[in-house]
Amino acid sequence: GGIITQTPKFLIGQEGQKLTLKCQQNFNHDTMYWYRQDSGKGLRLIYYSITENDLQKGDLSEGYDASREKKSSFSLTVTSAQKNEMAVFLCASSYRTGASYEQYFGPGTRLTVL
Amino acid sequence: AQSVTQPDARVTVSEGASLQLRCKYSYFGTPYLFWYVQYPRQGLQLLLKYYPGDPVVQGVNGFEAEFSKSNSSFHLRKASVHWSDWAVYFCAVSKGSAGNKLTFGIGTRVLVRP
Repeated sequence: GGIITQTPKFLIGQEGQKLTLKCQQNFNHDTMYWYRQDSGKGLRLIYYSITENDLQKGDLSEGYDASREKKSSFSLTVTSAQKNEMAVFLCASSYRTGASYEQYFGPGTRLTVL
Repeated sequence: AQSVTQPDARVTVSEGASLQLRCKYSYFGTPYLFWYVQYPRQGLQLLLKYYPGDPVVQGVNGFEAEFSKSNSSFHLRKASVHWSDWAVYFCAVSKGSAGNKLTFGIGTRVLVRP
Protein backbone atom coordinates (compact mmCIF):
# COMPACT_ATOMS: atom_id res chain seq x y z
CA GLY A 1 0.00 0.00 0.00
CA GLY A 2 0.90 3.62 -0.10
CA ILE A 3 -0.27 7.06 0.79
CA ILE A 4 -0.52 10.53 -0.68
CA THR A 5 0.17 13.44 1.64
CA GLN A 6 -0.88 16.98 0.86
CA THR A 7 0.33 20.05 2.73
CA PRO A 8 -1.06 22.24 4.05
CA LYS A 9 -4.56 20.92 4.74
CA PHE A 10 -5.94 24.44 4.94
CA LEU A 11 -4.50 27.47 3.18
CA ILE A 12 -5.71 31.02 3.68
CA GLY A 13 -4.29 33.69 1.43
CA GLN A 14 -4.69 37.29 0.44
CA GLU A 15 -5.71 38.57 -2.97
CA GLY A 16 -2.73 38.70 -5.33
CA GLN A 17 -0.59 36.45 -3.17
CA LYS A 18 1.47 33.58 -4.59
CA LEU A 19 0.57 30.35 -2.81
CA THR A 20 2.25 26.93 -3.01
CA LEU A 21 0.65 23.55 -2.37
CA LYS A 22 2.71 20.40 -1.95
CA CYS A 23 2.03 16.73 -2.60
CA GLN A 24 4.09 13.63 -1.74
CA GLN A 25 3.39 10.00 -2.69
CA ASN A 26 5.12 6.79 -1.68
CA PHE A 27 3.44 4.48 -4.20
CA ASN A 28 6.45 4.87 -6.52
CA HIS A 29 3.98 5.99 -9.20
CA ASP A 30 5.31 7.65 -12.33
CA THR A 31 2.42 10.00 -13.02
CA MET A 32 1.07 12.69 -10.74
CA TYR A 33 -1.86 15.09 -11.14
CA TRP A 34 -3.33 18.25 -9.69
CA TYR A 35 -7.10 18.79 -9.79
CA ARG A 36 -9.27 21.64 -8.66
CA GLN A 37 -12.64 20.78 -7.12
CA ASP A 38 -15.39 23.39 -7.02
CA SER A 39 -18.85 22.73 -5.68
CA GLY A 40 -21.16 21.61 -8.49
CA LYS A 41 -18.37 21.41 -11.06
CA GLY A 42 -16.65 18.12 -10.36
CA LEU A 43 -12.90 17.85 -10.73
CA ARG A 44 -10.93 19.73 -13.36
CA LEU A 45 -7.36 18.88 -14.27
CA ILE A 46 -4.83 21.67 -13.76
CA TYR A 47 -1.47 20.02 -14.44
CA TYR A 48 -0.07 16.53 -14.67
CA SER A 49 3.40 15.05 -14.89
CA ILE A 50 4.27 11.74 -16.54
CA THR A 51 7.71 11.53 -14.99
CA GLU A 52 10.25 13.55 -13.02
CA ASN A 53 10.81 17.01 -14.56
CA ASP A 54 7.91 16.56 -16.99
CA LEU A 55 4.95 18.95 -16.95
CA GLN A 56 1.74 18.80 -19.01
CA LYS A 57 -1.02 21.38 -18.95
CA GLY A 58 -4.55 20.32 -18.15
CA ASP A 59 -7.83 22.07 -18.88
CA LEU A 60 -7.41 24.70 -16.17
CA SER A 61 -3.70 25.58 -16.16
CA GLU A 62 -4.02 29.37 -16.53
CA GLY A 63 -3.12 31.06 -13.27
CA TYR A 64 -1.08 28.10 -12.03
CA ASP A 65 2.48 26.79 -12.20
CA ALA A 66 3.67 23.32 -11.28
CA SER A 67 6.95 21.65 -10.44
CA ARG A 68 8.03 17.98 -10.41
CA GLU A 69 11.61 17.89 -9.18
CA LYS A 70 11.43 14.40 -7.69
CA LYS A 71 9.44 11.33 -8.63
CA SER A 72 7.71 11.35 -5.26
CA SER A 73 6.67 15.00 -5.12
CA PHE A 74 4.59 17.41 -7.16
CA SER A 75 4.01 21.06 -6.23
CA LEU A 76 1.38 23.48 -7.45
CA THR A 77 1.64 27.27 -7.26
CA VAL A 78 -1.29 29.64 -7.49
CA THR A 79 0.47 32.57 -9.15
CA SER A 80 -1.98 35.28 -8.01
CA ALA A 81 -4.80 34.33 -5.68
CA GLN A 82 -8.22 35.69 -6.63
CA LYS A 83 -10.36 37.46 -4.04
CA ASN A 84 -13.17 35.31 -2.55
CA GLU A 85 -11.77 32.22 -4.23
CA MET A 86 -12.64 28.98 -2.45
CA ALA A 87 -11.75 25.55 -3.75
CA VAL A 88 -10.27 22.20 -2.83
CA PHE A 89 -7.11 21.11 -4.61
CA LEU A 90 -6.63 17.37 -4.97
CA CYS A 91 -3.39 15.64 -5.81
CA ALA A 92 -3.41 12.17 -7.37
CA SER A 93 -0.95 9.63 -8.73
CA SER A 94 -1.04 6.56 -10.95
CA TYR A 95 1.17 4.07 -12.77
CA ARG A 96 2.15 5.31 -16.18
CA THR A 97 1.68 2.09 -18.11
CA GLY A 98 0.25 -1.35 -17.61
CA ALA A 99 -3.25 -2.54 -16.85
CA SER A 100 -3.66 -0.60 -13.63
CA TYR A 101 -4.77 2.88 -14.65
CA GLU A 102 -6.67 4.03 -11.60
CA GLN A 103 -5.61 7.18 -9.83
CA TYR A 104 -5.06 7.40 -6.09
CA PHE A 105 -6.00 10.64 -4.39
CA GLY A 106 -4.75 12.65 -1.46
CA PRO A 107 -7.09 14.24 1.13
CA GLY A 108 -6.92 17.69 -0.43
CA THR A 109 -5.90 21.24 0.41
CA ARG A 110 -8.73 23.70 1.07
CA LEU A 111 -7.96 27.17 -0.20
CA THR A 112 -9.71 30.33 0.98
CA VAL A 113 -8.72 33.73 -0.34
CA LEU A 114 -9.74 36.76 1.69
CA ALA B 1 -13.59 15.17 -26.74
CA GLN B 2 -14.60 12.83 -23.97
CA SER B 3 -17.22 13.87 -21.43
CA VAL B 4 -19.25 12.45 -18.56
CA THR B 5 -22.77 13.37 -17.50
CA GLN B 6 -24.20 12.59 -14.11
CA PRO B 7 -27.77 13.85 -14.41
CA ASP B 8 -28.65 13.66 -10.73
CA ALA B 9 -26.89 16.19 -8.51
CA ARG B 10 -28.49 14.75 -5.38
CA VAL B 11 -30.20 11.48 -4.50
CA THR B 12 -31.92 10.71 -1.20
CA VAL B 13 -32.45 7.09 -0.26
CA SER B 14 -33.63 5.25 2.85
CA GLU B 15 -31.22 2.98 4.65
CA GLY B 16 -31.72 -0.59 3.41
CA ALA B 17 -33.22 0.53 0.10
CA SER B 18 -31.57 -0.01 -3.26
CA LEU B 19 -29.56 2.69 -5.02
CA GLN B 20 -28.81 3.46 -8.64
CA LEU B 21 -26.63 6.34 -9.76
CA ARG B 22 -26.64 7.23 -13.41
CA CYS B 23 -23.64 7.99 -15.59
CA LYS B 24 -23.57 8.67 -19.33
CA TYR B 25 -20.31 9.08 -21.17
CA SER B 26 -19.31 10.47 -24.52
CA TYR B 27 -16.20 8.92 -26.01
CA PHE B 28 -15.04 7.81 -29.44
CA GLY B 29 -13.62 4.32 -29.07
CA THR B 30 -13.54 1.90 -26.17
CA PRO B 31 -13.49 3.72 -22.87
CA TYR B 32 -12.07 2.87 -19.49
CA LEU B 33 -14.62 3.83 -16.85
CA PHE B 34 -14.39 4.42 -13.14
CA TRP B 35 -16.57 5.18 -10.15
CA TYR B 36 -14.99 7.04 -7.26
CA VAL B 37 -16.49 7.93 -3.87
CA GLN B 38 -15.65 10.95 -1.76
CA TYR B 39 -16.56 10.81 1.91
CA PRO B 40 -16.88 14.10 3.80
CA ARG B 41 -13.59 15.99 4.06
CA GLN B 42 -11.63 13.26 2.29
CA GLY B 43 -10.07 12.63 -1.08
CA LEU B 44 -11.53 10.31 -3.69
CA GLN B 45 -11.41 6.54 -3.32
CA LEU B 46 -11.87 4.05 -6.13
CA LEU B 47 -15.08 1.99 -5.93
CA LEU B 48 -14.69 0.04 -9.14
CA LYS B 49 -13.28 0.21 -12.63
CA TYR B 50 -14.28 -1.09 -16.06
CA TYR B 51 -11.76 -2.30 -18.61
CA PRO B 52 -13.07 -3.86 -21.85
CA GLY B 53 -14.54 -7.26 -20.97
CA ASP B 54 -17.40 -8.36 -18.73
CA PRO B 55 -19.95 -5.51 -18.72
CA VAL B 56 -20.89 -6.02 -15.05
CA VAL B 57 -18.15 -4.99 -12.67
CA GLN B 58 -18.06 -5.72 -8.97
CA GLY B 59 -16.56 -3.19 -6.60
CA VAL B 60 -16.00 -2.65 -2.91
CA ASN B 61 -18.68 -2.40 -0.22
CA GLY B 62 -21.34 -4.19 -2.30
CA PHE B 63 -21.29 -1.78 -5.24
CA GLU B 64 -21.49 -2.93 -8.83
CA ALA B 65 -21.79 -1.15 -12.16
CA GLU B 66 -22.93 -2.15 -15.62
CA PHE B 67 -21.36 -0.93 -18.83
CA SER B 68 -23.61 -0.47 -21.86
CA LYS B 69 -22.01 0.51 -25.14
CA SER B 70 -25.37 0.91 -26.87
CA ASN B 71 -26.59 3.35 -24.21
CA SER B 72 -23.19 4.94 -23.52
CA SER B 73 -23.84 4.35 -19.86
CA PHE B 74 -22.06 3.07 -16.78
CA HIS B 75 -24.63 3.09 -13.98
CA LEU B 76 -23.70 2.27 -10.40
CA ARG B 77 -25.91 0.10 -8.19
CA LYS B 78 -26.13 -1.15 -4.65
CA ALA B 79 -28.79 -3.54 -3.41
CA SER B 80 -29.05 -2.27 0.18
CA VAL B 81 -27.72 1.13 1.23
CA HIS B 82 -26.01 1.66 4.59
CA TRP B 83 -25.77 4.99 6.43
CA SER B 84 -22.02 4.97 5.77
CA ASP B 85 -22.72 5.29 2.03
CA TRP B 86 -23.54 8.97 2.60
CA ALA B 87 -21.00 10.55 0.21
CA VAL B 88 -20.46 12.09 -3.22
CA TYR B 89 -19.99 9.67 -6.10
CA PHE B 90 -18.06 10.55 -9.24
CA CYS B 91 -18.08 8.79 -12.57
CA ALA B 92 -14.98 9.20 -14.77
CA VAL B 93 -13.77 8.14 -18.21
CA SER B 94 -10.21 7.65 -19.45
CA LYS B 95 -8.42 6.83 -22.66
CA GLY B 96 -6.16 4.51 -20.67
CA SER B 97 -3.10 5.77 -22.49
CA ALA B 98 0.14 7.17 -21.07
CA GLY B 99 -0.75 10.16 -18.92
CA ASN B 100 -4.15 8.60 -18.34
CA LYS B 101 -6.17 11.81 -18.14
CA LEU B 102 -9.48 11.27 -16.39
CA THR B 103 -12.58 13.28 -17.24
CA PHE B 104 -14.98 13.47 -14.32
CA GLY B 105 -18.69 14.09 -14.02
CA ILE B 106 -19.90 16.71 -11.55
CA GLY B 107 -20.76 14.10 -8.97
CA THR B 108 -23.95 12.84 -7.30
CA ARG B 109 -24.44 13.50 -3.61
CA VAL B 110 -26.13 10.59 -1.85
CA LEU B 111 -28.05 11.32 1.34
CA VAL B 112 -29.17 8.36 3.45
CA ARG B 113 -32.33 8.58 5.56
CA PRO B 114 -32.44 6.46 8.72
